[in-house]
Amino acid sequence: DQQVKQNSPSLSVQEGRISILNCDYTNSMFDYFLWYKKYPAEGPTFLISISSIKDKNEDGRFTVFLNKSAKHLSLHIVPSQPGDSAVYFCAASGGATQGGSEKLVFGKGTKLTVNP
Amino acid sequence: NAGVTQTPKFRVLKTGQSMTLLCAQDMNHEYMYWYRQDPGMGLRLIHYSVGEGTTAKGEVPDGYNVSRLKKQNFLLGLESAAPSQTSVYFCASSYAGQGYNEQFFGPGTRLTVL
Repeated sequence: DQQVKQNSPSLSVQEGRISILNCDYTNSMFDYFLWYKKYPAEGPTFLISISSIKDKNEDGRFTVFLNKSAKHLSLHIVPSQPGDSAVYFCAASGGATQGGSEKLVFGKGTKLTVNP
Repeated sequence: NAGVTQTPKFRVLKTGQSMTLLCAQDMNHEYMYWYRQDPGMGLRLIHYSVGEGTTAKGEVPDGYNVSRLKKQNFLLGLESAAPSQTSVYFCASSYAGQGYNEQFFGPGTRLTVL
């Protein structure tokens, strides 16, 4: 049973336009959400996160929105650049409710391609 | 400051062989994790550790063992490798503190079991 779902395996956008990557979750105990970016042959790198007490977090060109009632979050990249082409993973954590181990549950990822 | 390093980067095993993957971190992190990534499956947690001398099972622990004898090292062992264990393995670490802290990942080990 997938607790974190990224229903779009791939997304293609033009350079300069907005990229919107979506993520849904089923476990209402999740209280912290993260996005990781992964280039081929490299490990994932942390991009941005959001706590469940917020509905928006912004960092430069990257903004994450959280809709708790819909159990949905999205990552917006504006403007998109060719260097943003990578696989993006959504991840969720129950924090203290998971015994303080800070385990992450990952989605399957969305491959973003930004065309010049 | 090397962050999280993994040894080896690539390995090919025959079915039934054993091997150990080494993860090292120089950030003085308390928590360490082992994941596997398979095509279309995302990252799945194998085992994790919340401190030196402790280990716990993750989502897909069968066929693997781990040890955390030193705070900076986390070893993943395959006692009898199977083709189903062909995957890319990632180690990660995180700081233990108030609130949530991001996990830092190593570059990965690509393992093929024939």
